[in-house]
Amino acid sequence: DAGITQSPRHKVTETGTPVTLRCHQTENHRYMYWYRQDPGHGLRLIHYSYGVKDTDKGEVSDGYSVSRSKTEDFLLTLESATSSQTSVYFCATETSGRASPRNEQFFGPGTRLTVL
Amino acid sequence: DQQVKQNSPSLSVQEGRISILNCDYTNSMFDYFLWYKKYPAEGPTFLISISSIKDKNEDGRFTVFLNKSAKHLSLHIVPSQPGDSAVYFCAASATGSARQLTFGSGTQLTVLP
Repeated sequence: DAGITQSPRHKVTETGTPVTLRCHQTENHRYMYWYRQDPGHGLRLIHYSYGVKDTDKGEVSDGYSVSRSKTEDFLLTLESATSSQTSVYFCATETSGRASPRNEQFFGPGTRLTVL
Repeated sequence: DQQVKQNSPSLSVQEGRISILNCDYTNSMFDYFLWYKKYPAEGPTFLISISSIKDKNEDGRFTVFLNKSAKHLSLHIVPSQPGDSAVYFCAASATGSARQLTFGSGTQLTVLP
């Protein structure tokens, strides 16, 4: 398994406060992703990165920003948290190597975020 | 509007029997499909995939079938084992936006001993 860690693993915050979630990988994978998982919705893509300083929006990007200054780190920021952003957040990575199946993504353990 | 749908939130089967998990999609641009498995408090893990140029892919106890005309795929697990109890997500991608996976809402499989 790819070495993917997420921090913090749990966080409770209040509406209106900024929150940053960190994803760290040790596999030197090119692509990194942030998803949120909510009941009835499965996993929805928030933002993704295809290299250092190269990011793009996913399906549910409103209210979120990301940064990737190093290959191994991908940060997700909620500038002003809202209760609708209460969710479980997963980071994922994907190699650009041809040996792997397309879209085989490796997921971190998740961060449970509660916005009161 | 969900482009990938898993209409059964849950499924229970006896150990040793076949588990069949279903997935439907609406976007005709999808040309690659995957199944991920998720245990509680863990991230999803890749299980098996299939390209639209095939109608079947097999890996041990797991087989995925694709019916393009019906926009339907299914995952068969034979024989089912208690360790297979997990949430299974179907996912799809399209060439051209190949880095973006669209997931279904998941099916909780429970394999009864």
